[in-house]
Amino acid sequence: QQQVKQSPQSLIVQKGGIPIINCAYENTAFDYFPWYQQFPGKGPALLIAIRPDVSEKKEGRFTISFNKSAKQFSLHIMDSQPGDSATYFCAASMDAGGTSYGKLTFGQGTILTVHP
Amino acid sequence: DVKVTQSSRYLVKRTGEKVFLECVQDMDHENMFWYRQDPGLGLRLIYFSYDVKMKEKGDIPEGYSVSREKKERFSLILESASTNQTSMYLCASRSWGRVYSNQPQHFGDGTRLSIL
Repeated sequence: QQQVKQSPQSLIVQKGGIPIINCAYENTAFDYFPWYQQFPGKGPALLIAIRPDVSEKKEGRFTISFNKSAKQFSLHIMDSQPGDSATYFCAASMDAGGTSYGKLTFGQGTILTVHP
Repeated sequence: DVKVTQSSRYLVKRTGEKVFLECVQDMDHENMFWYRQDPGLGLRLIYFSYDVKMKEKGDIPEGYSVSREKKERFSLILESASTNQTSMYLCASRSWGRVYSNQPQHFGDGTRLSIL
């Protein structure tokens, strides 16, 4: 059972476009939602994360929008650049009073290509 | 800077062989994780460890075991390799702390394992 569903599977935009990647989760116990970025040949690295007590978080050109009632969150990349071409994973975690050890449940991933 | 090192970048083994994948982290992290990454399925947790000699099953533990004899080293073992275990394997480590304490998982660059 995939507890975090991510779409689209792939996305192609022109430089300067605003790609949007969407995720939906099922488990209401999740209370931390990070996004990881993975370049070819490398492991994923944390990009940005949000807690459900806020509806939006912005770091540079990257923004997470969060809709708790719909159990959905999305990543927006403003003014996208060819260097943003990578695979993006949404994820979810639950704190469980500090006993979850930081386990993550990942979405399926989105391959983003930004053309010059 | 946190460094997670996976011993092999590419590995080719035969069905029925016992396969060891090794992972070492240099940041004294308590928690370590093994994932497999498959196209369209994202990252799926196989096993994790929260202390030396302590381990817990993830979402897809069947056919795998793990060993953590030292804090910095976490090994994934395929007891009798099968072709459906051909995949990219990623190791990660994380410090102890609440999930939203800005303690991300740090990933190695992966081992691409082919079982013939």
